[in-house]
Amino acid sequence: EPEVTQTPSHQVTQMGQEVILRCVPISNHLYFYWYRQILGQKVEFLVSFYNNEISEKSEIFDDQFSVERPDGSNFTLKIRSTKLEDSAMYFCASTGLAGVGDTQYFGPGTRLTVL
Amino acid sequence: AQKVTQAQTEISVVEKEDVTLDCVYETRDTTYYLFWYKQPPSGELVFLIRRNSFDEQNEISGRYSWNFQKSTSSFNFTITASQVVDSAVYFCALSTMNTGFQKLVFGTGTRLLVSP
Repeated sequence: EPEVTQTPSHQVTQMGQEVILRCVPISNHLYFYWYRQILGQKVEFLVSFYNNEISEKSEIFDDQFSVERPDGSNFTLKIRSTKLEDSAMYFCASTGLAGVGDTQYFGPGTRLTVL
Repeated sequence: AQKVTQAQTEISVVEKEDVTLDCVYETRDTTYYLFWYKQPPSGELVFLIRRNSFDEQNEISGRYSWNFQKSTSSFNFTITASQVVDSAVYFCALSTMNTGFQKLVFGTGTRLLVSP
């Protein structure tokens, strides 16, 4: 069964460093998302991406964050200068037809620890 | 604005008990979708069910059942004869036409502990 994959599973970085989190969405999906979950808290939407453009972003997704689909399979989230409060689990998700409320399938997550 | 409330922070049951997880949502949209996801201790988010706002029929899948009531804006989830493997955090989520269904709004989750 097709699934969303994410690498790395765990990333440790120093405050101020740049990190890139990688995702491979399900192959025939067109809409891609990033969410984050601070430890013990709820899952929060960061950004949605379609047709090589951001289609919606939350207030969390400030200038420190960017997303990219560098090739036909990968979808990345970059944090330019990490802060302690960026420590969280980051989930990538994808769906085929967001316009009809299609199910978003999530990857296993990347746990980011900022020291 | 859209909002999902899961008032039960944690529920503890003994194996074979039935348990209901509550979800109350808020939206002004008439077209929306509701979801339940399971987050086991390993951390991934596992899709369980999707329901659209025009379909109030209850659904049963094995030991799982869902009760959708628009009159009370609730989408409750019942596990019958719970098992230890059901121990997880369960999230209810909402997506609406207002945002082009571009995002899921999650509740705070309910942690279910099933002991043997």
